[in-house]
Amino acid sequence: EVQLVESGGGLVQPGRSLRLSCAASGFTFDDYAMHWVRQAPGKGLEWVSGISWNSGSIGYADSVKGRFTISRDNAKNSLYLQMNSLRAEDTALYYCAKGPSYDILTGYDYIDYWGQGTLVTVSS
Amino acid sequence: EIVMTQSPATLSVSPGERATLSCRASQSVSSNLAWYQQKPGQAPRLLIYGASTRATGIPARFSGSGSGTEFTLTISSLQSEDFAVYYCQQYNNWPVTFGQGTKLEIK
Repeated sequence: EVQLVESGGGLVQPGRSLRLSCAASGFTFDDYAMHWVRQAPGKGLEWVSGISWNSGSIGYADSVKGRFTISRDNAKNSLYLQMNSLRAEDTALYYCAKGPSYDILTGYDYIDYWGQGTLVTVSS
Repeated sequence: EIVMTQSPATLSVSPGERATLSCRASQSVSSNLAWYQQKPGQAPRLLIYGASTRATGIPARFSGSGSGTEFTLTISSLQSEDFAVYYCQQYNNWPVTFGQGTKLEIK
């Protein structure tokens, strides 16, 4: 059974940093692309970032480009999101998500499994 | 960035009836479209990918159609567990984008 468990969320002041982690199990982690998708309270879904199986291809939403960094450690079956210069509008539930293919930008960038999310609140 | 527009925002349907949800793309996304279901307090769940292929374990009452810019999700006979919010997502162009969602509620 695929399991994705996020951690690292919390309350943080504007301008500060936070690092999210996602522990994956139940599948061969280094065979698949991974993503972060967020959902502001009461709002819809927003794709944040994606990374290919070997970290060779990475993409970001314009809203986070230059502030967020996605990475993965295949030896630890883990996905990360380093979030710097946080803003109030970054407040959201952040989902770790698995893609169906090894790469991104190949026409297979939908999500076949989702974690339960970790809440990030940016407020003074 | 491709804008995905879903309609209606809210759809009221009685159990046992058919529900039809629409999703329109601001430019062609070929058949690179997915549908997700999200219930309160839960993560989204993949229903359809490739515009019309049901994901593993999804009941046959869910069907997707369309290509290019116009897409439809049809639920043939609504069950109580189907009342939720539904999102479409295009993955033809980067960045991938979602629609704003359609809330399917009990009439």
